[in-house]
Amino acid sequence: QVQLVESGGGVVQPGRSLRLSCAASGFTFSSYGMHWVRQAPGKGLEWVAVISYDGSNKYYADSVKGRFTISRDNSKNTLYLQMNSLRAEDTAVYYCAKDKGGVTRTYWYFDLWGRGTLVTVSS
Amino acid sequence: DIQMTQSPSSLSASVGDRVTITCRASQSISSYLNWYQQKPGKAPKLLIYAASSLQSGVPSRFSGSGSGTDFTLTISSLQPEDFATYYCQQSYSTPPTFGPGTKVDIK
Repeated sequence: QVQLVESGGGVVQPGRSLRLSCAASGFTFSSYGMHWVRQAPGKGLEWVAVISYDGSNKYYADSVKGRFTISRDNSKNTLYLQMNSLRAEDTAVYYCAKDKGGVTRTYWYFDLWGRGTLVTVSS
Repeated sequence: DIQMTQSPSSLSASVGDRVTITCRASQSISSYLNWYQQKPGKAPKLLIYAASSLQSGVPSRFSGSGSGTDFTLTISSLQPEDFATYYCQQSYSTPPTFGPGTKVDIK
């Protein structure tokens, strides 16, 4: 079954850290770029970060640059998001999403999404 | 960053209606425009990519058109399962950005 399953969300105090995971199955994970996209409660979608199929290239939204780190372990078919120095405005459901493209290029749109994991930053 | 706008922000329609949603980019994005459907509590689902290409498995009542700065998503005959929020997204430049969404509900 082709799917993405996120985990690791929860309630965390401002300034603390959290690591999200996304387990992929049913497709060749190591052949696709992967993204994190978030959605604050009742709000729209915001792209967060992308990593290339082999982990060699990473890009971040300005709102998280220097605080968040995207990584992947292709041997475990797992995507990660390390979130440091968390702020109240980082409160959101975090989705991992598969890029439509493959090893040749990143297409920057998303043809498979996980169900999301909620991160709440609050004291 | 490229700003995306959508109109209307919400609409009420009946089953069987033809529905059109408009998306506008703050600069030309060629055909690098994608549409997603999101139901409450669920993840977004890709409907249309590259402005007019139907994603595999998506019903043919969904169609997209446009290029440059102006785009439309059309649902030819609204079905009960189509009541949802629809987002456009540009993939022309980094960072990819989404429109604010259009909520389609039952009249």
